[in-house]
Amino acid sequence: DTAVSQTPKYLVTQMGNDKSIKCEQNLGHDTMYWYKQDSKKFLKIMFSYNNKELIINETVPNRFSPKSPDKAHLNLHINSLELGDSAVYFCASSQNLVPQPQHFGDGTRLSIL
Amino acid sequence: GESVGLHLPTLSVQEGDNSIINCAYSNSASDYFIWYKQESGKGPQFIIDIRSNMDKRQGQRVTVLLNKTVKHLSLQIAATQPGDSAVYFCAETQAAGNKLTFGGGTRVLVKP
Repeated sequence: DTAVSQTPKYLVTQMGNDKSIKCEQNLGHDTMYWYKQDSKKFLKIMFSYNNKELIINETVPNRFSPKSPDKAHLNLHINSLELGDSAVYFCASSQNLVPQPQHFGDGTRLSIL
Repeated sequence: GESVGLHLPTLSVQEGDNSIINCAYSNSASDYFIWYKQESGKGPQFIIDIRSNMDKRQGQRVTVLLNKTVKHLSLQIAATQPGDSAVYFCAETQAAGNKLTFGGGTRVLVKP
């Protein structure tokens, strides 16, 4: 009965590879987000989608491509992985775009070798 | 650019004492503020929020204070328990879009 679930929890891969992280929410929310948390715990928004439409794209390299097949899913595909992509990536959701709490998943720890 | 920040990176507190975590924000247009708790290996967990038309809001063992004059936000935890050990983040947003800008986080360590 997890509200926001991400897979995989850990991802270890080589530089230059392409990988995807999946996110699903069962809260019936309209809005979903991707955040990146660096080694110093700093959290920064990357993308948000509302009803499958891209709302926020925070100057993220175009190697990162989010895809929302439906309101309950927001996946993140990353091409040509670089060392600097190592971080914990969090998916979140909220009912809609009105300022309110966002519900976070438990993160995907991406390590680039 | 505009930012949200915290004064203390680490706060050690004795079990049973009260904790106060501070946060400064610079965007005077911010109208919604939220505190999150992040435990090791977990995602941020919502604690409490406050809108700019209020200056105080209480939850269970937690109180958030908002001082718009000096752009300062604080989280008070009463009778701190070992389970309160975590990293705490403040975040702010304004108007529509729900784009949260997070502060740098404060680690709270509860000593038995």
